[in-house]
Amino acid sequence: EDQVTQSPEALRLQEGESSSLNCSYTVSGLRGLFWYRQDPGKGPEFLFTLYSAGEEKEKERLKATLTKKESFLHITAPKPEDSATYLCAVQGSGGGADGLTFGKGTHLIIQP
Amino acid sequence: NAGVTQTPKFQVLKTGQSMTLQCAQDMNHNSMYWYRQDPGMGLRLIYYSASEGTTDKGEVPNGYNVSRLNKREFSLRLESAAPSQTSVYFCASSATLTRGGGQPQHFGDGTRLSIL
Repeated sequence: EDQVTQSPEALRLQEGESSSLNCSYTVSGLRGLFWYRQDPGKGPEFLFTLYSAGEEKEKERLKATLTKKESFLHITAPKPEDSATYLCAVQGSGGGADGLTFGKGTHLIIQP
Repeated sequence: NAGVTQTPKFQVLKTGQSMTLQCAQDMNHNSMYWYRQDPGMGLRLIYYSASEGTTDKGEVPNGYNVSRLNKREFSLRLESAAPSQTSVYFCASSATLTRGGGQPQHFGDGTRLSIL
C-alpha cells in the first residue's frame, strides 16, 4: 500500500523567510511524485512532477527535489500570495488503481 | 480555458436522498477520477475511469456508483445518501500513462456536499 506523510502540518513564515516542506513516501514502483497547491474553496492546482531520484524542478520561488524516500518543496523568499496548502501525491505501479495517493498537506502562511 | 468543470458547486441533501454529481473536461484526456476530501485526511480515490467505457473501484467506493458517459463526462451517483458521505468531492482528469511515467491529474473546484 502506497503511503505519503507530509511535514510539518502547518508552517507560518515571515515574508522573505525561506524554508522547506517535506514529503516522505513509500510506494511500489514509483510512476511519479506530484506537488499541488490548494487555495481555500478551490481544487488542487498542479505544480510539479518528479519521476526519479536526483530530479529537480523549479517554478518562480518554488523548487521541488526528489530522493528515493523523500521529496522537498523549497520556498525561497516567499510572498504572502504563496500562502496555501501544499499537497504531495504519489502514483505507484502496484495494485489496480491508477489514482494518486495524497498526503494530508502542509498549510503554509506567509505573513507580510 | 475551462479545464475540469463540476456541477453543482454546493448541495444539501437529506439522509436517504439520491443525487448525481456531474463532471466534464475539455482537455481530451482519456482518464478521469473522483476523489473525496475530508478534514484531517488526504484526498481519497473513490472511482476512476482509465478510458471511455471502463470504470474501476478506488480506495473508498462503497455507497457510490459512476458512469463514464463519453470521453468528456464522468458522473458520480449517491443512491441513498448517508451523513458519512458529507464531504468535498473532486473530479480530475489526466492523459494516459506513458512509458515515461505517470501524468499529472488536473482537478475541478469541487462539489461541497452536506447530508443531514
